[in-house]
Amino acid sequence: DAGITQSPRHKVTETGTPVTLRCHQTENHRYMYWYRQDPGHGLRLIHYSYGVKDTDKGEVSDGYSVSRSKTEDFLLTLESATSSQTSVYFCAISEFQETQYFGPGTRLLVL
Amino acid sequence: EDKVVQSPLSLVVHEGDTVTLNCSYEVTNFRSLLWYKQEKKAPTFLFMLTSSGIEKKSGRLSSILDKKELFSILNITATQTGDSAVYLCAVVKQGAQKLVFGQGTRLTINP
Repeated sequence: DAGITQSPRHKVTETGTPVTLRCHQTENHRYMYWYRQDPGHGLRLIHYSYGVKDTDKGEVSDGYSVSRSKTEDFLLTLESATSSQTSVYFCAISEFQETQYFGPGTRLLVL
Repeated sequence: EDKVVQSPLSLVVHEGDTVTLNCSYEVTNFRSLLWYKQEKKAPTFLFMLTSSGIEKKSGRLSSILDKKELFSILNITATQTGDSAVYLCAVVKQGAQKLVFGQGTRLTINP
């Protein structure tokens, strides 16, 4: 398995609170991604990074921000969590134009 | 707008049956198509298909791409209960890093 970890693995929070999810890789891959997965929608890209401090938006980026200060870490922040952000969040890594490998996921519940 | 459509969305068969899952796509600047298997956790990579007409095989699973007709199929022969999962198809575009995912096919294998 690709060396990808996500933390926390489960989180329950309240509406309006900030939440940060962390993705850590040991593969030294250049590209990192954050997806959310919801029933009926499949996997949807939130943000991705193509290098340290280089990020870009995906299809569902509203309400989310990201940061990548080191090659191995990619953080996803929900500035003010809403119930619509209850989801399973997956991090993925890849090299350019190659297969993406996924982390174990974080299950987030916003009450 | 780029689109990846999988069919059927859900399939229930008996152990030992052979199944065929379909993935059709409409994307500009196609580069490759990927298949993933997702059980109750992160998607795991199965195949990457870049060239038309060349079958990729791994045990009882095989897949082929038709770039003229814009589709791929994933075959599973002699199905086992462990094949029960959601199978995801995704397309990579030339020069881009984003995957475009289909909705997935939920396959259930009954003993």
